[in-house]
Amino acid sequence: KAGVTQTPRYLIKTRGQQVTLSCSPISGHRSVSWYQQTPGQGLQFLFEYFSETQRNKGNFPGRFSGRQFSNSRSEMNVSTLELGDSALYLCASSLRGSPATNEKLFFGSGTQLSVL
Amino acid sequence: AQKVTQAQTEISVVEKEDVTLDCVYETRDTTYYLFWYKQPPSGELVFLIRRNSFDEQNEISGRYSWNFQKSTSSFNFTITASQVVDSAVYFCALSEARSGGYNKLIFGAGTRLAVHP
Repeated sequence: KAGVTQTPRYLIKTRGQQVTLSCSPISGHRSVSWYQQTPGQGLQFLFEYFSETQRNKGNFPGRFSGRQFSNSRSEMNVSTLELGDSALYLCASSLRGSPATNEKLFFGSGTQLSVL
Repeated sequence: AQKVTQAQTEISVVEKEDVTLDCVYETRDTTYYLFWYKQPPSGELVFLIRRNSFDEQNEISGRYSWNFQKSTSSFNFTITASQVVDSAVYFCALSEARSGGYNKLIFGAGTRLAVHP
């Protein structure tokens, strides 16, 4: 069974540009969440999607946005990039994102974004 | 406010030593979930264990064991007879039921474990 797939693996952009990152969840998983990992702030929750709807959002500026498609694949977009956006962006998926079950949250290997 | 503290930044041990990674959490929610993840150099977070706040049963799985104590808000993780392959960054994480979603995890800063031959 394929794991969570994130593309691209590495990305270099310049300040002011925008970027789109892609995440394909494990087959059958409908909940997709995104995290930002930086040396200074650690792992921080960005947002979570379920059945094409954003259910939860972290404390990030509006430049960070996302969406989920009908096949559960998700994209996140960062507009007007800043140097501080350089980070590892991790995507995670689970069946329903429901605490009522004992489902596990599986992570991809991430996209390493460098903003110059 | 919710918070996860991993006081140990780095731990270095020699192979076959036992090592315990500490995790202390803060939450006002009565229903919450605790996790341990491992992050090897490849970058992906590997799920190790999940514990619900209403389930204080501790567990042993092979060389891994976990000690969950609500009275001290701690969820510690022990590796017995460590191996070089255990070298990684280990994260403790918390999810609160009131956050409206199981997948909004609050992570600790992580503990880097180096196991030397």
